[in-house]
Amino acid sequence: SQELEQSPQSLIVQEGKNLTINCTSSKTLYGLYWYKQKYGEGLIFLMMLQKGGEEKSHEKITAKLDEKKQQSSLHITASQPSHAGIYLCGADIGAGNNRKLIWGLGTSLAVNP
Amino acid sequence: KAGVTQTPRYLIKTRGQQVTLSCSPISGHRSVSWYQQTPGQGLQFLFEYFSETQRNKGNFPGRFSGRQFSNSRSEMNVSTLELGDSALYLCASSLGTSGSRGTQYFGPGTRLTVL
Repeated sequence: SQELEQSPQSLIVQEGKNLTINCTSSKTLYGLYWYKQKYGEGLIFLMMLQKGGEEKSHEKITAKLDEKKQQSSLHITASQPSHAGIYLCGADIGAGNNRKLIWGLGTSLAVNP
Repeated sequence: KAGVTQTPRYLIKTRGQQVTLSCSPISGHRSVSWYQQTPGQGLQFLFEYFSETQRNKGNFPGRFSGRQFSNSRSEMNVSTLELGDSALYLCASSLGTSGSRGTQYFGPGTRLTVL
C-alpha cells in the first residue's frame, strides 16, 4: 500500500463549490508539501507545512496539518475553472539520515463552469 | 528569477537507444533531484545531487544515471532504452544545505516516448 495516501483520487465539482482533498501518511511527518500540476507539465509549489496545527492560505486555497493524525487537508473555497488540475502532496518522513521525500498519487480535480 | 529549465521538452527514441536529459536549476540552488512520472506509478524518485555529489538514489536499474556540474546544472542519462521508460521526467531544484533539501521547485519536464 502507498505510504502517502491521497483521497479522493478524482473530483468533479461545479464552479463556486468548496472542496477538500486529504493526504494521509502511514509514517511520522516532518514536513508536508502541496503542489498543483497541469496535465503533462511540471509541478507548481503551493505551500509547505511543518508544525502540527499549522495552517497556510494562498488566495482561495487553505492547507492544514494535523500532526497527530499524520494528515493534511487542502481546502479550496468557491472553486473556479482555473483550479482544475492534479493536486499532489509530498511528505518528508524518517529522521536524520533516514529522511526521505515520498509522494501521493495525486487527486485530479475538474471544475465545471 | 528564472525558473527551472529542462531540455529537450519532448523526445522520441527507439528501444535500445540512449538518451540524455538536461536540467538547469534556479540560480543559487545547489540541490537537484530527478523524478520519473507515469500514470500508474505516480512520481518516482530517481536521484538527488548536491554540490556535484549524488546524495540519494531511488530504486531504478543502473541504466539510469546522472551527474551534476560545478554550476549546479544536471544531466540524467538512460541507456538501452525500454518501452517502459516512456514517461515524463521531472527535475526539481532547491536551495539545499549539507543537511537538508529544502522546498523543491520543478521544471516543466521532458516527455520521453520510446517506440
